[in-house]
Amino acid sequence: GQNIDQPTEMTATEGAIVQINCTYQTSGFNGLFWYQQHAGEAPTFLSYNVLDGLEEKGRFSSFLSRSKGYSYLLLKELQMKDSASYLCAVSLSYNTDKLIFGTGTRLQVFP
Amino acid sequence: DTGVSQNPRHKITKRGQNVTFRCDPISEHNRLYWYRQTLGQGPEFLTYFQNEAQLEKSRLLSDRFSAERPKGSFSTLEIQRTEQGDSAMYLCASSHGTQEANYGYTFGSGTRLTVV
Repeated sequence: GQNIDQPTEMTATEGAIVQINCTYQTSGFNGLFWYQQHAGEAPTFLSYNVLDGLEEKGRFSSFLSRSKGYSYLLLKELQMKDSASYLCAVSLSYNTDKLIFGTGTRLQVFP
Repeated sequence: DTGVSQNPRHKITKRGQNVTFRCDPISEHNRLYWYRQTLGQGPEFLTYFQNEAQLEKSRLLSDRFSAERPKGSFSTLEIQRTEQGDSAMYLCASSHGTQEANYGYTFGSGTRLTVV
């Protein structure tokens, strides 16, 4: 089976840095995605990693280690609007964009 | 382009009734996906289309579920004889479907189904 693990909940303070971890054990691997989902809304794409290393996009960065089956999403200079669920998802193969999602990490940012 | 559009946004139905949802993808996207999401969980894959061809169906998609994408444009997801366990958010997404354009899906706002 496919297994993607993330912490269920995290809290942080406005202006701080938070790291959300994701570990995966899947039958195939063709990239890892992070999505942000505000309550009651659709997920929105944040980042994509297919090679090892760090991808930086403004306040958000994502890291991947394929040998360890591990990724993290780093959020800097947290803002109240960053309170949301963060979903880690793995693409299993080149032939399909089908994604296997983790259960998501609910982040609450406090003033 | 207004993104991925799903209708209706909310649907309340009685157990045993049939329901149909519609998804209009981004026009230049040739892949279309249906996912189901329950509270506190990540989206679960149901099925996907490349143009009009349905290429994969999850085991989650029982005989009561059917999806179509006639002419490779909009798609419909029908649930027959709804059960309370079908209550969930049904998300549609579309993508370019090419490795070079792997910028992730664009999701629609979803249809929230409540079966009473």
